[in-house]
Amino acid sequence: GNSVTQMEGPVTLSEEAFLTINCTYTATGYPSLFWYVQYPGEGLQLLLKATKADDKGSNKGFEATYRKETTSFHLEKGSVQVSDSAVYFCALRGNSGYALNFGKGTSLLVTP
Amino acid sequence: DAGVIQSPRHEVTEMGQEVTLRCKPISGHNSLFWYRQTMMRGLELLIYFNNNVPIDDSGMPEDRFSAKMPNASFSTLKIQPSEPRDSAVYFCASSTAGTGTYEQYFGPGTRLTVT
Repeated sequence: GNSVTQMEGPVTLSEEAFLTINCTYTATGYPSLFWYVQYPGEGLQLLLKATKADDKGSNKGFEATYRKETTSFHLEKGSVQVSDSAVYFCALRGNSGYALNFGKGTSLLVTP
Repeated sequence: DAGVIQSPRHEVTEMGQEVTLRCKPISGHNSLFWYRQTMMRGLELLIYFNNNVPIDDSGMPEDRFSAKMPNASFSTLKIQPSEPRDSAVYFCASSTAGTGTYEQYFGPGTRLTVT
């Protein structure tokens, strides 16, 4: 079945540091890939998405590239801010399905 | 747009009591999802409705859990009787099914504590 594995947290970075959160997936066919962000006390919000191999999703300075050869969708940001502190979820939707398969989430704390 | 609305935001109840969680999806969305989030298991899909019809309830943990969607603008998730292990954050999400990536929009969640 479909599954997502993302790096364990928490991740603690200083403001303006470079961020990478690793995500790999297992799926048949050509899934769509997503990164969601959850701020404290809130629901999940879509951060970015990619629907086919080599697509790059980007939003708010975050980027992730759909790499089919390595089955990966790593999240990156060049310079994090304190306001980026949140939990980040990698997810996939199979090309024949409707449900999202989520990773366990990675907590990010950015300190001033 | 008001987004997905869930109520209550917090619920504390005693073991054995009935709990009803409510969700109002975004107007015009025809798909609705109920998820449960715990530290141990992460985010789990409980049930999926399309056009008010339950399509997949394989994630519903036990017969104590039931969900309904009487119309396009309202859904409930009921737990009867509740148990301490049901303590979790329950999210409702909605989307437009069909072509495209159809992003799921999440509500703020209901934090349920069963003592």
